[in-house]
Amino acid sequence: RKEVEQDPGPFNVPEGATVAFNCTYSNSASQSFFWYRQDCRKEPKLLMSVYSSGNEDGRFTAQLNRASQYISLLIRDSKLSDSATYLCVVNYGAGRRALTFGSGTRLQVQP
Amino acid sequence: EPEVTQTPSHQVTQMGQEVILRCVPISNHLYFYWYRQILGQKVEFLVSFYNNEISEKSEIFDDQFSVERPDGSNFTLKIRSTKLEDSAMYFCASSLGQGNEKLFFGSGTQLSVL
Repeated sequence: RKEVEQDPGPFNVPEGATVAFNCTYSNSASQSFFWYRQDCRKEPKLLMSVYSSGNEDGRFTAQLNRASQYISLLIRDSKLSDSATYLCVVNYGAGRRALTFGSGTRLQVQP
Repeated sequence: EPEVTQTPSHQVTQMGQEVILRCVPISNHLYFYWYRQILGQKVEFLVSFYNNEISEKSEIFDDQFSVERPDGSNFTLKIRSTKLEDSAMYFCASSLGQGNEKLFFGSGTQLSVL
């Protein structure tokens, strides 16, 4: 079973749409969770951390369900500039600093 | 905003040759990392480095790989005898540490092994 699993997409949505991505992780001891964004052939960039209580940053909302080992990202009012691959990322903690990346979900926002 | 810089942006080498990829982490950061991404695949952790020693490494980081911080600013990844399957984008990253897990990634070195 993959450690961090995501639907690869692509998700093709019109501008202004709301889109949601999901991610599951296999290690129940995982401690830190993130969404990164990666543009084609560029480096990953942190979009937001994901907290147990859920958190929001502008048009982006992240949720964590530890019982189901499930993370989500909601993007409201999609912009053309949101087109990218969204990476679900997990840190297992316990002194480990390595990040485990999912394969990413590709989003294409169309005019 | 401060950034992690990597050189070169592209490196082409023959199989069996040694390569050194260079990185300048953000100056006040304490943890340094190398990740790689084979074309079309996910980003994979290679190694983390703290206080002048490796703190963690993955199964990928075998005896062919080594890291070094030769001076106060550079952080290098050496691949001793490159294989075709080492072709990938190699990303350097750094973080403040001390509970702050935000990683800043460099723009990567695309390594092509022929």
